Amino acid sequence: DQQVKQNSPSLSVQEGRISILNCDYTNSMFDYFLWYKKYPAEGPTFLISISSIKDKNEDGRFTVFLNKSAKHLSLHIVPSQPGDSAVYFCAARENFGNEKLTFGTGTRLTIIP
Amino acid sequence: KAGVTQTPRYLIKTRGQQVTLSCSPISGHRSVSWYQQTPGQGLQFLFEYFSETQRNKGNFPGRFSGRQFSNSRSEMNVSTLELGDSALYLCASSSRSAQADTQYFGPGTRLTVL
Repeated sequence: DQQVKQNSPSLSVQEGRISILNCDYTNSMFDYFLWYKKYPAEGPTFLISISSIKDKNEDGRFTVFLNKSAKHLSLHIVPSQPGDSAVYFCAARENFGNEKLTFGTGTRLTIIP
Repeated sequence: KAGVTQTPRYLIKTRGQQVTLSCSPISGHRSVSWYQQTPGQGLQFLFEYFSETQRNKGNFPGRFSGRQFSNSRSEMNVSTLELGDSALYLCASSSRSAQADTQYFGPGTRLTVL
């Protein structure tokens, strides 16, 4: 049972344009969501997170939107840069005190110069 | 502040052997979680240790075990290795001190079972 889904395995975006990565979840107990960026043979790098009490969080070029009623979150990267090319994972966590992260399957983002 | 470190970075073992992986968390972090990444199953949670106690466990067989020391360093052990245990093993640390807590990952240990 895939509780966190990233339905787009890959995405190509022109440099300078907006990249939008999507993530859906089914478990209503999730209350904290994170986005990670990963290069091959390396550990995931934390990008940005959002608590279920918010619907938006921004950090520089990265913005995460959360739609709890639709159980959907998205990561916006503006403007996209070549260094953003990587695999992006969304992850979700249940109540505080439970450190287990449930990951999506990832979206490979390619920025075209 | 130094990040999460994992040793060794690469390991080759044969079926039936056992292996021990090590993880040193970010200074001040007391929670260490372990994950397995494979092409078929993605990133899956193995277990979490906090204050030397296992707090949560994923759906893995008993061949996978771990422990945490008083300095928060953690080790993961896999006994009777199988070909399917070939994977990237990642550990993550967090302070577990606030609701908006974030897990930071190490570079991983690439285990190959022949």
